[in-house]
Amino acid sequence: QVQVVESGGGVVQPGRSLRLSCGASGITFKNYGMHWVRQAPGKGLEWVAFIWSDGSNKKYADSVKGRFTISRDDSKNTVFLQMNSLRAEDTAVYYCARDKWSAAPGYFDYWGQGTLVTVSS
Amino acid sequence: SYVLTQPPSVSVAPGKTARITCGGDNIGSKNVHWYQQKPGQAPVLIIYYDNDRPSGIPERFSGSNSGNTAALTISRVEAGDEADYYCQVWDSSSDHVVFGGGTKLAVL
Repeated sequence: QVQVVESGGGVVQPGRSLRLSCGASGITFKNYGMHWVRQAPGKGLEWVAFIWSDGSNKKYADSVKGRFTISRDDSKNTVFLQMNSLRAEDTAVYYCARDKWSAAPGYFDYWGQGTLVTVSS
Repeated sequence: SYVLTQPPSVSVAPGKTARITCGGDNIGSKNVHWYQQKPGQAPVLIIYYDNDRPSGIPERFSGSNSGNTAALTISRVEAGDEADYYCQVWDSSSDHVVFGGGTKLAVL
């Protein structure tokens, strides 16, 4: 049975940092690109970041570039999202998703259930 | 940046056909993927590469893509199809993934 699980969400003050993790059982992240996608309360999906299967290339949405960093540890089948200088508008459910391909993004074939990040004083 | 435009809502009676559009500049030259999201759940892939279905997705779901419009068609709509639907592409010029704003399908 496939399970993708995000963790690390919570309530954080503006300007502070948070690190999200995403692990899986039943599937491997190795050899696949990985994404983070977020969804603000009552809003649509917003792509956040992408990392190639070998970790050599990373892409970010303009809204998070310079503040967020995506990384991966294939030995632990885990992907991370380091979020710095958090703002109220970063409040959202953050989903981890596996890409069908290893490099240039394709489509997302597996998603986690999401972890809620609330940025508030 | 590349923009995908979806109608906020579509309504359809049970048993009828629903069509959800996704507009974008020359979207016909891109690969379009569709996701279904029910309340409180993660998105699920229902169509990839314009008109391919993952295993387990009913044949009632189909897609098309030409010119400036891609579309998701749901035939013989059921109450359980009520959900939000999102189109998605990869914009090679910006190297960004782009989602449409989402369409809420209401089954009357």
